Amino acid sequence: QPVLTQSSSASASLGSSVKLTCTLSSGHSSYIVAWHQQQPGRAPRYLMKLEGSGSYNKGSGVPDRFSGSSSGADRYLTISNLQSEDEADYYCETWDNNTQVFGGGTKLTVL
Amino acid sequence: QVQLVQSGAEVKKPGASVKVSCKTSGYNFTGYYLHWVRQAPGQGLEWMGWINPNSGATNYAQKFQGRVTMTRDTSMSTAYMELSLRSDDTAIYYCARPGTVTTEYWGQGTLVTVSS
Repeated sequence: QPVLTQSSSASASLGSSVKLTCTLSSGHSSYIVAWHQQQPGRAPRYLMKLEGSGSYNKGSGVPDRFSGSSSGADRYLTISNLQSEDEADYYCETWDNNTQVFGGGTKLTVL
Repeated sequence: QVQLVQSGAEVKKPGASVKVSCKTSGYNFTGYYLHWVRQAPGQGLEWMGWINPNSGATNYAQKFQGRVTMTRDTSMSTAYMELSLRSDDTAIYYCARPGTVTTEYWGQGTLVTVSS
C-alpha cells in the first residue's frame, strides 16, 4: 500500500507563489494523486487530480492560480498570487488495492 | 450538480452506536462508490471504508473492522455509516464520492462527540 509524505507546514507571503510537495513511497511513483484544500472549520474541497506525467484536471470553480506538476514520485501543487483565503490545510490522496490513502497534510500559512 | 448532504451532529456515550446518513443528488447513485472518512480534532483525514451502492458490497479499513457497518438505500439515494463508539471516536465524519479514482465530492461533515 502506498504511503504519501507531506511536509507538516509551509509559509509564503501574500501575492507570492508556493509549491507544496506530496511524495509517493517506493514502488508507487506512477500513481495518480488528488489534492484537496481544507480551510479552517470547513469540509475538504477537491482541487485537482494529478498524474505522473504532470497532466492535471481541476475541479469546478478552482481558480487558475492553482496548478499541478509531477517529477518522479513527487506530486506538486503550486499556488500563485497567494491570497489570504489560501491559508488552509492541503491533503494529497491516492487509491490502491481498494483502499484510499491520505497524506498527513500541509498547513499553509499566508504571511 | 452533485451534492452530498449529511445528517446533523450527534452526542453519544461510549459503548453506544451512531448512524450517520449521506443523502446524495445530482448523479446516478448506483454508479459510484461512496467512501467514509473521518477527522479527529486537530488531526488529518483517515479513510474508514467504502460501499458500492449498486451491489451493497463493502470494504472497511482494518482499524474499523468489526465496529463499522456501511449500508445504503437506493430508493432514497442515501448511504449510511454506523459505528460502535469508543471514547476516542470523537471526530467529524465525512462521506465522499470519487470521480474515476480519487475523491471529487465531499459531504459537509457530521460531528460526532463521544462523552460519558
